[in-house]
This record gives sequence, C-alpha cells and structure tokens, in this order.
Amino acid sequence: KNEVEQSPQNLTAQEGEFITINCSYSVGISALHWLQQHPGGGIVSLFMLSSGKKKHGRLIATINIQEKHSSLHITASHPRDSAVYICAVRSVGASGTASKLTFGTGTRLQVTL
Amino acid sequence: NAGVTQTPKFRILKIGQSMTLQCTQDMNHNYMYWYRQDPGMGLKLIYYSVGAGITDKGEVPNGYNVSRSTTEDFPLRLELAAPSQTSVYFCASSTGTGGFLAKNIQYFGAGTRLSVL
Repeated sequence: KNEVEQSPQNLTAQEGEFITINCSYSVGISALHWLQQHPGGGIVSLFMLSSGKKKHGRLIATINIQEKHSSLHITASHPRDSAVYICAVRSVGASGTASKLTFGTGTRLQVTL
Repeated sequence: NAGVTQTPKFRILKIGQSMTLQCTQDMNHNYMYWYRQDPGMGLKLIYYSVGAGITDKGEVPNGYNVSRSTTEDFPLRLELAAPSQTSVYFCASSTGTGGFLAKNIQYFGAGTRLSVL
C-alpha cells in the first residue's frame, strides 16, 4: 500500500461544477502539500498545510490530522483548471535531517465546456 | 523571474550514452532536489543537496550522480543510460526543509523529458 493515496485517479467535470480531490496518507506528517502539474509538465505548489483549511481564490484545501486525510476543492471549475493535482506529505524527520516528501500518483482533472 | 531553470527540455539517448541534465536556480536556495516521474507513479527523489558541496542519496539514486559546486547549480549525471531511465526529470529547490514552515515550499523546474532507446 502506498503511503499516499489519491482518489479519484481521473476526474471529468463540466464547467462550473464543484470538484473534490481526496488524499489519504498512512504516516505521521509535519506538513501536506498540494501541487498542480500543468498539461505542459510544469509543477506549481498550491498549498502547504498542517491543520485546518486554506483558501486561495477558487481553491480550498482542508486537512484532518486525526483521520490522516486531506481534500482539495475547486469551486466554479473552469477548463483552465484542467491539470494533474498531486498530494505530497512531508514525513516527520529526525531533528536536523532533511525529511523527505512522499508524493501521490496524482488526480488527472479534465474540465469541459 | 527565472526561478528554477532546467535544460534540455527533451533528449533522446542511445543505451550506454551519457549526459548531464542541468539545473540552475536564482533564488539563493540552500536545498535542491532531483526527482523522476514515471507514468502512473508519484515523483521519486533521486538525490538532494542541502548546500554547496553537500549531496545525499534519495530513494532511487542508482545510475545517477550529482555534484553541487555552487549554490545555484545542481547538475544530474547519467553515466551509462539504460531504458529504465526513460522518465521525466524535475529539479526543485527550497529555502529550508523539515516541519511546517513557508520556507519548505519547493519550487520546480519545467522538467526534462528523457527517452533512452
């Protein structure tokens, strides 16, 4: 079982729909990241969070530490939101060490007109 | 705002050839990383560096070498290319690592798509 599991793997939505992408992890973490990989391949960090909720424009990220689960929501989706969304967790590392990021396999989102 | 720059964007190698993937960042970040992304898989860490002159292995270092002679540059070397190294390679950098701090956000380059035939 992967340490980071995302669902769904693929998602197709119509413009304007509310979208939810889920991420579950099995290790203790110090932070969780959501990233967006554009169709051209470039990767951009969207959020880093360790508790509660963060909002940026139409994007909302939530995390429940007790349940080891995070969700990324997109409100009023638009075709330009089409991308792969990747969840990554930073495990709790020993003091002074560079703790690593473990990545999920991504959710491919396609938003159509 | 250049950020993290990777070259080349695409490359086709024959088995046994060698090449260097270049990565440069202009943000004065101490930490730099090389990842590979295979189809249907999450990014895997190849090597990372915590500063000039210091490098360490990640999850999948076999078949690769790195050096960090300056803060800005972190080249990845493939000595004897193999078909298993066909992948998309990403370089990233950050100010810090570990814990929940804004400086731990990683900035990624645009990627290098490598095919070994």
